[in-house]
Amino acid sequence: GAVVSQHPSRVICKSGTSVKIECRSLDFQATTMFWYRQFPKQSLMLMATSNEGSKATYEQGVEKDKFLINHASLTLSTLTVTSAHPEDSSFYICSAKGDRPRYEQYFGPGTRLTVT
Amino acid sequence: DAKTTQPTSMDCAEGRAANLPCNHSTISGNEYVYWYRQIHSQGPQYIIHGLKNNETNEMASLIITEDRKSSTLILPHATLRDTAVYYCIVKGTAGNKLTFGGGTRVLVKP
Repeated sequence: GAVVSQHPSRVICKSGTSVKIECRSLDFQATTMFWYRQFPKQSLMLMATSNEGSKATYEQGVEKDKFLINHASLTLSTLTVTSAHPEDSSFYICSAKGDRPRYEQYFGPGTRLTVT
Repeated sequence: DAKTTQPTSMDCAEGRAANLPCNHSTISGNEYVYWYRQIHSQGPQYIIHGLKNNETNEMASLIITEDRKSSTLILPHATLRDTAVYYCIVKGTAGNKLTFGGGTRVLVKP
């Protein structure tokens, strides 16, 4: 399957600071990228969908000013958690999908964010 | 997209086939059945998908009933590394979103 990477894999930040998470598609061009959040013992919840070169579409209840998404190229999307609070601590996972029918949605390994 | 129902958990014996059921009684004609799995603290991994015919790849087989209201994912020879949460997801062709339900927590035992 296709390869999607995330960086960093783990990050600890202080309350009130911002943290950026990168998501890269390594061997295909991702026209669409998705950002999910997963709390312990829960399923993945879609936060937003982004298409290259356009603004992200956020799911209901997700604050677009708090979770800034940039999808500036066909291989890179970033999620910035602004003014992080302890309740933002979670496992953030991105996925990417190409524009060909055979390209399914492939997921990155996830980023564990801990806000202290 | 149609909702799916899966058992919360199941145990399987190492080396035996694991059969994971999924109900999707409200599936519509253009919706596919997808299976992903998530090993602890990792991102989900694509396994297989199908529309109405049975499908097989190097990881698993997908059996879809004739009325398409249910399906079964078959792991032919379960290994300890197959321990994971398995998600059955129904998705149409128009949208890109994958909506994850609770999945089935599969524990493969020696």
